[in-house]
Amino acid sequence: TQLLEQSPQFLSIQEGENLTVYCNSSSVFSSLQWYRQEPGEGPVLLVTVVTGGEVKKLKRLTFQFGDARKDSSLHITAAQPGDTGLYLCAGRYGNKLVFGAGTILRVKS
Amino acid sequence: EAQVTQNPRYLITVTGKKLTVTCSQNMNHEYMSWYRQDPGLGLRQIYYSMNVEVTDKGDVPEGYKVSRKEKRNFPLILESPSPNQTSLYFCASSSRQGDTYEQYFGPGTRLTVT
Repeated sequence: TQLLEQSPQFLSIQEGENLTVYCNSSSVFSSLQWYRQEPGEGPVLLVTVVTGGEVKKLKRLTFQFGDARKDSSLHITAAQPGDTGLYLCAGRYGNKLVFGAGTILRVKS
Repeated sequence: EAQVTQNPRYLITVTGKKLTVTCSQNMNHEYMSWYRQDPGLGLRQIYYSMNVEVTDKGDVPEGYKVSRKEKRNFPLILESPSPNQTSLYFCASSSRQGDTYEQYFGPGTRLTVT
């Protein structure tokens, strides 16, 4: 079983602060995705990264795929209360998708 | 509206009573899958299907069955539910975009087995 470790598990910050969430594995993935999930809903895809070293930006969110395609990071600049939620990384190998345990982010105003 | 629907959204049942959770998508996606989500464990894949009549085990298939007789439907069957199957279940469907899959999740089914 491929494992994806996410850190930190919980993050509580003030509005305007920056933060980074990490997703690490000893396995190589063909692609890696980041999802955001709100209570009572299913995860929603934020981004997919495919190429080692790839960086993608989505407004205040920056996603990076490690050069060896074993790790990824999500950086949020100037966090806002609307960013509160569960962030999940997921790596694809073959036809399967493996999820990390998630990072619960709370942004206080 | 493009969506994945699941029914029921909430279900409380007793040990051993067979149940089916339905999943339907209206996006003509070939790939569908079922996950369970438990605190501290993230989402774990139960079964997936690459196309009609093609299904395969995920990481936690024990105690579950699936079928894919039509492209749009992918029901999850628990023949004899047990308390350790109490969980939040998600169905998802995907379209292939080059080398990646853009996955859409349903709203979830919260199952309690007593």
